[in-house]
Amino acid sequence: GAGVSQSPRYKVAKRGQDVALRCDPISGHVSLFWYQQALGQGPEFLTYFQNEAQLDKSGLPSDRFFAERPEGSVSTLKIQRTQQEDSAVYLCASTSAGGPYEQYFGPGTRLTVT
Amino acid sequence: GENVEQHPSTLSVQEGDSAVIKCTYSDSASNYFPWYKQELGKRPQLIIDIRSNVGEKKDQRIAVTLNKTAKHFSLHITETQPEDSAVYFCAASVGAYKYIFGTGTRLKVLA
Repeated sequence: GAGVSQSPRYKVAKRGQDVALRCDPISGHVSLFWYQQALGQGPEFLTYFQNEAQLDKSGLPSDRFFAERPEGSVSTLKIQRTQQEDSAVYLCASTSAGGPYEQYFGPGTRLTVT
Repeated sequence: GENVEQHPSTLSVQEGDSAVIKCTYSDSASNYFPWYKQELGKRPQLIIDIRSNVGEKKDQRIAVTLNKTAKHFSLHITETQPEDSAVYFCAASVGAYKYIFGTGTRLKVLA
């Protein structure tokens, strides 16, 4: 079946603009994760959903970051008043299990804040 | 806090040689250790994983070993090919659902 998809693939925002990044997980996958990947670094955990419940948002860097998954499938990561330090690739991953196993990643959204 | 250290940061090998990438983790409760391969501009792809009740796992040219006592795990690639060139990330589970990733190893296989 189809893998995890993300849109847009690339986003350029002027400093101060709001952006919304979308993730479509693999159909039926219960768990969904958002990660931030800076250039040359490993993915860093942002937030975790189990179905529609956001169980962990400890990795969100500031209150400008907000994520939702209202129907337990598609998720949106919103960044308000973007700053240059928000420039990164934002990765979404999903897994069918409730634990940390076998996360499947989307292609990411590369956000550039100018 | 929990962390995962990964070495080396870059690795160049001749085609046909073996490559070894090593990771150490800090959380003794970690029980799942995946390895991801990421080509430039592409998504991380799971290539092999190991759970804490197993010491070694092999899949064709790729193997992973785990030493729980020392909190070390390693990726071994034998008979390397140019298409193995990529960035490899190790990760360790933390708690019930999180991963902590290493900083990555850029592997170059020279033809």
